[in-house]
Amino acid sequence: DTAVSQTPKYLVTQMGNDKSIKCEQNLGHDTMYWYKQDSKKFLKIMFSYNNKELIINETVPNRFSPKSPDKAHLNLHINSLELGDSAVYFCASSTPGTGGNYGYTFGSGTRLTVV
Amino acid sequence: AQSVTQLGSHVSVSEGALVLLRCNYSSSVPPYLFWYVQYPNQGLQLLLKYTSAATLVKGINGFEAEFKKSETSFHLTKPSAHMSDAAEYFCAVSDEYGNKLVFGAGTILRVKS
Repeated sequence: DTAVSQTPKYLVTQMGNDKSIKCEQNLGHDTMYWYKQDSKKFLKIMFSYNNKELIINETVPNRFSPKSPDKAHLNLHINSLELGDSAVYFCASSTPGTGGNYGYTFGSGTRLTVV
Repeated sequence: AQSVTQLGSHVSVSEGALVLLRCNYSSSVPPYLFWYVQYPNQGLQLLLKYTSAATLVKGINGFEAEFKKSETSFHLTKPSAHMSDAAEYFCAVSDEYGNKLVFGAGTILRVKS
């Protein structure tokens, strides 16, 4: 029944490691996103994909690489993890945007802690 | 570019009192505006959204917000606070194409008994 699901929910790893976070949505949405919520709870978009095509890349370090194998999945791979990457990462999806009758649905988040 | 300013990082009210959380936006195109709530260690839940229909928008849990173009505001209100309303609230703006949400810094609502 889960609309947007992320795995894992918690991730603790050492500096320098490479890790991935997976996201899947079963809403039939065309657009998926990754947002980062930092330690001050500030939320900012990282990437947006529309039907597997990258739409938005918000000056994120190239250690972060999103991958969308199909429109229902958007994974986030992070290389050479740094302490500053510690945050909560949210996946989201949305319906097509014209006409204003759309909505975003967020996953429950992945809390990444780099030690 | 679009942006959102939430006035007051912390708001404290007594149980049963009016809740007012302030949000002002900046947008060069007609905005679409949202309020989300985040409970501790949980994800974001949509409270309500404005998408150019009625200016007074009713949401879940008794919350509502009014879009005022002249004031570039979209303040969130609830007539009577409940203890379960204690959470962090985020205002967000998007354009009509919905390519991304731009969030405010959030307001933590504390409800005193």
